[in-house]
Amino acid sequence: DTGVSQDPRHKITKRGQNVTFRCDPISEHNRLYWYRQTLGQGPEFLTYFQNEAQLEKSRLLSDRFSAERPKGSFSTLEIQRTEQGDSAMYLCASSQDSLNEQFFGPGTRLTVL
Amino acid sequence: AQKVTQAQTEISVVEKEDVTLDCVYETRDTTYYLFWYKQPPSGELVFLIRRNSFDEQNEISGRYSWNFQKSTSSFNFTITASQVVDSAVYFCALQSNFGNEKLTFGTGTRLTIIP
Repeated sequence: DTGVSQDPRHKITKRGQNVTFRCDPISEHNRLYWYRQTLGQGPEFLTYFQNEAQLEKSRLLSDRFSAERPKGSFSTLEIQRTEQGDSAMYLCASSQDSLNEQFFGPGTRLTVL
Repeated sequence: AQKVTQAQTEISVVEKEDVTLDCVYETRDTTYYLFWYKQPPSGELVFLIRRNSFDEQNEISGRYSWNFQKSTSSFNFTITASQVVDSAVYFCALQSNFGNEKLTFGTGTRLTIIP
């Protein structure tokens, strides 16, 4: 399978705990995006990377959120001190420089109790 | 600011009927891209089409067709002879002309095809 992969697919955590999600993009794609999708809504942009550089962050990305892409390949999204409002589907997408199509992974569904 | 409006929250049609999903967008950019994605019950967003703002030709791909009208800022999606497998949530999205930046999505239209 050469698509975008995300791990874990589901995560249930208690409020106040830290969680980390991983995204592996399509191998030749140098751009990587994180989105968040809540029930009944479209995905909302969180942040994106070109190679290892984080080029844009949404206002949705509070100080409790941090994303990294240390070697320009996979990326991690960490949420510290989770809150119930963080419950959502976290989607990762990747694209190439010369193309604009973003290909999405299956998402990580986070439930904060 | 960019905005995408999908006024139809839910649509139900009987199998084999045609159905059109509406998308209206707002942007100040002179060059931009428009997209449609399908999200089946499994949850993974599936890319359907990308359209450059300079290309207003309608496009047809099998049972799918797209009508882009810059004058009304609309990018509508029609499924002909609908099938049960078309049941999904469909999202329209907008991207600025600076390339590979964020997608701004609409709230989606849930399409249910009744057998």
